[in-house]
Amino acid sequence: AQSVAQPEDQVNVAEGNPLTVKCTYSVSGNPYLFWYVQYPNRGLQFLLKYITGDNLVKGSYGFEAEFNKSQTSFHLKKPSALVSDSALYFCAVRELDSSYKLIFGSGTRLLVRP
Amino acid sequence: GAVVSQHPSRVICKSGTSVKIECRSLDFQATTMFWYRQFPKQSLMLMATSNEGSKATYEQGVEKDKFLINHASLTLSTLTVTSAHPEDSSFYICSAGRKGETQYFGPGTRLTVL
Repeated sequence: AQSVAQPEDQVNVAEGNPLTVKCTYSVSGNPYLFWYVQYPNRGLQFLLKYITGDNLVKGSYGFEAEFNKSQTSFHLKKPSALVSDSALYFCAVRELDSSYKLIFGSGTRLLVRP
Repeated sequence: GAVVSQHPSRVICKSGTSVKIECRSLDFQATTMFWYRQFPKQSLMLMATSNEGSKATYEQGVEKDKFLINHASLTLSTLTVTSAHPEDSSFYICSAGRKGETQYFGPGTRLTVL
């Protein structure tokens, strides 16, 4: 079965500094990987996805993620954090069957301090 | 593009009553909609997958007679929580997508059962 792990419950970073939110995956084939962000009492917003192609994927709001097959990782990054980036971030992998279900990680809370 | 709405955003009801939540894809036709439940400070738990014109597929442990799902058109799915009890209080989120494509999420519905 597909799975993703987000090893950090919370990441703290100062505004202006680079940020990384970690995600590792376990899949039986080629992974379809996603990052979503959730603000308080809101649904999830799509940030970016990796299906195939370049290992560095660029997404919304200046975020990017690097697919690393050897390390089975898909870490989310941003060169310069903003206070408004503070939110809950979810990594997800799509099931390879016809259901197209997403399997979510446990989530990482990002706190960017001024 | 890819906007998904949910209605209502918040609902309070008495124990024993039924509550209907609507999920609409506003600018695209969604062959598949998903319903999730999220407990405070936790990840999303997939409840069921809803395909237009067919019966929903429920995840293990989700009572299909309690959580009725209808996907009558390519832009509308509804979740009805029947005979709601306080333990059904939660944040319910839907997502919509076309087969194989990115899922886009609604803003969520906060259900409180008194």
